[in-house]
Amino acid sequence: DVKVTQSSRYLVKRTGEKVFLECVQDMDHENMFWYRQDPGLGLRLIYFSYDVKMKEKGDIPEGYSVSREKKERFSLILESASTNQTSMYLCASRWTGGNREQYFGPGTRLTVT
Amino acid sequence: GNSVTQMEGPVTLSEEAFLTINCTYTATGYPSLFWYVQYPGEGLQLLLKATKADDKGSNKGFEATYRKETTSFHLEKGSVQVSDSAVYFCALSDRTGTASKLTFGTGTRLQVTL
Repeated sequence: DVKVTQSSRYLVKRTGEKVFLECVQDMDHENMFWYRQDPGLGLRLIYFSYDVKMKEKGDIPEGYSVSREKKERFSLILESASTNQTSMYLCASRWTGGNREQYFGPGTRLTVT
Repeated sequence: GNSVTQMEGPVTLSEEAFLTINCTYTATGYPSLFWYVQYPGEGLQLLLKATKADDKGSNKGFEATYRKETTSFHLEKGSVQVSDSAVYFCALSDRTGTASKLTFGTGTRLQVTL
């Protein structure tokens, strides 16, 4: 079974802190994605990576950066957390290909106070 | 750009009722279409997909048909169960590039009662 794990299920951080969200997949997938999920807005793509050390901005990259040093790991970084970044963060991965499904992790609910 | 429109929720049904969740899309070319489901406290998982016009995806009693003429991919189930209570997301994937992206609808919450 494909497994995508995220480092924390729940996280509480203070405004201005640097926050790292980690995602690991065990199926040798080339592509990895970070989304945030907010009520009424669905899932919005923050960043994605189509291979190691490759990254591209998604629809809402402002305030975020990413790192992909190894194929199995994709990190989302909030350089200086703000209250409007309180959200559910979902990581996904998949093999390269337009109609391939994405496999999702369980999500990290981040609260910034 | 690409977009997906889903019916607003929540949808509340009694067990064994018929379910339809509408989904329409806007895209250039010939996207692949997906339904994902999110159970409480979990990430999304693929429910079904269709990759070309007139394809029917099906899984766990759910079905959806890729209708190019109406740009729709409505989700249906003949008899829902309490265990189907979840949030359902319609999504499309363009086929361009090595890392084509998913565009999601806003999600429809389904609540099934006894």
